[in-house]
Amino acid sequence: NAGVTQTPKFRVLKTGQSMTLLCAQDMNHEYMYWYRQDPGMGLRLIHYSVGEGTTAKGEVPDGYNVSRLKKQNFLLGLESAAPSQTSVYFCASTTRAGRDQPQHFGDGTRLSIL
Amino acid sequence: SQQGEEDPQALSIQEGENATMNCSYKTSINNLQWYRQNSGRGLVHLILIRSNEREKHSGRLRVTLDTSKKSSSLLITASRAADTASYFCATERSYNTDKLIFGTGTRLQVFP
Repeated sequence: NAGVTQTPKFRVLKTGQSMTLLCAQDMNHEYMYWYRQDPGMGLRLIHYSVGEGTTAKGEVPDGYNVSRLKKQNFLLGLESAAPSQTSVYFCASTTRAGRDQPQHFGDGTRLSIL
Repeated sequence: SQQGEEDPQALSIQEGENATMNCSYKTSINNLQWYRQNSGRGLVHLILIRSNEREKHSGRLRVTLDTSKKSSSLLITASRAADTASYFCATERSYNTDKLIFGTGTRLQVFP
């Protein structure tokens, strides 16, 4: 009963490097989300998806790209990492958003950009 | 900022005491949710209150909602050291139900 799984859990990158964060959910949820969490800022939405093959911008999308090729997976990409992208990244999923459904979260990816 | 605000930012109490944290938001909502985050972990859903509800209970949790003031409170009764965590409110806006807007959180420390 895995729920939402994020890989990797930790990563250190150099400025300019690229990487992809993977989120996988086994609950057959339609909606998936990527957030970043910074001290004192709470959770801020980067991108989200309302179904396979769809993506939409959130509050802070610049510098990130996403893809939802399979219903169970939601990938977050950093094409050219910057120190300002040092953060903890959380993935979440839910079924039928707008129907009083909670979001289910992974345990995060801690990313440091040097 | 789209975010709601929570207060206090941090709260320290002794075991057995009650803990109250407040959340304010900016727009009309369908529901308001409270989440808990233990250190180094993801958020876990605690309780959801709909816009037409005024109070809801779940175990030692009591949530109130005042839509006229655009505010909510979470009360944890008879707190335990294991309640030490950060608590976040999140709102589902009535005009955009695809996503939640999270508050900045309250850090609760419960001393044994």
